[in-house]
Amino acid sequence: EVQLMESGGGLVQPGGSLRLSCAASGFTFNTYWMHWVRQVPGKGLLWVSRLNGGGSRTDYADSVKGRFTISRDNAKNTLYLQMNSLRGEDTAVYYCARGHVTGYGFDIWGQGTMVTVSS
Amino acid sequence: QSALTQPPSVSGSPGQSVTISCTGTSSDVGSYNRVSWYQQPPGTAPKLMTYDVSNRPSGVPDRFSGSKSGNTASLTISGLQAEDEADYYCSSHTTSSTYVFGTGTKVTVL
Repeated sequence: EVQLMESGGGLVQPGGSLRLSCAASGFTFNTYWMHWVRQVPGKGLLWVSRLNGGGSRTDYADSVKGRFTISRDNAKNTLYLQMNSLRGEDTAVYYCARGHVTGYGFDIWGQGTMVTVSS
Repeated sequence: QSALTQPPSVSGSPGQSVTISCTGTSSDVGSYNRVSWYQQPPGTAPKLMTYDVSNRPSGVPDRFSGSKSGNTASLTISGLQAEDEADYYCSSHTTSSTYVFGTGTKVTVL
């Protein structure tokens, strides 16, 4: 079964750091672009970042550029999001999502992990 | 990058058709055929319904169809069913190599 499972969320103080993980299974991980998308509970979706299959190409939303770093370990089938200098507005559910193999869309999503930035 | 504009809500009776619009700019929706739509029932992760404007992943009913004209994309749900009640979001790849989502639309089945 094709599956994504996030972990690493929790409560962190403003200015702090957190690393999210996304474990992939059921597909050839290193052939897919992978993305992070976040959602404030009760609000809309916001695309955060993406990384190509080989790990050489990254893109970020302006709101996280310079603070967040996306990476992957293809040997472990795992995607990461290192989040530094966290702000209250980063509080959200963070989803990892797989990019469609031939088109533009996110075809597999994890269940999400909640990040709360608060003192 | 500003969010794409969607109506906050649409509604219809079972069996009717509803259409959700998604308006962007020439830097996103209008630039490529790279628009996708997602269904999100409460408390669940989003589900891909269409990609590249009008392609449906396997398992998505053909009642769901996507289209685009200029800077506006649309998702039409034909033969509305109770199980279609959810939030729907559009998304587009942009000329900056990023992605942008729409503001979201709540579909209510009367």
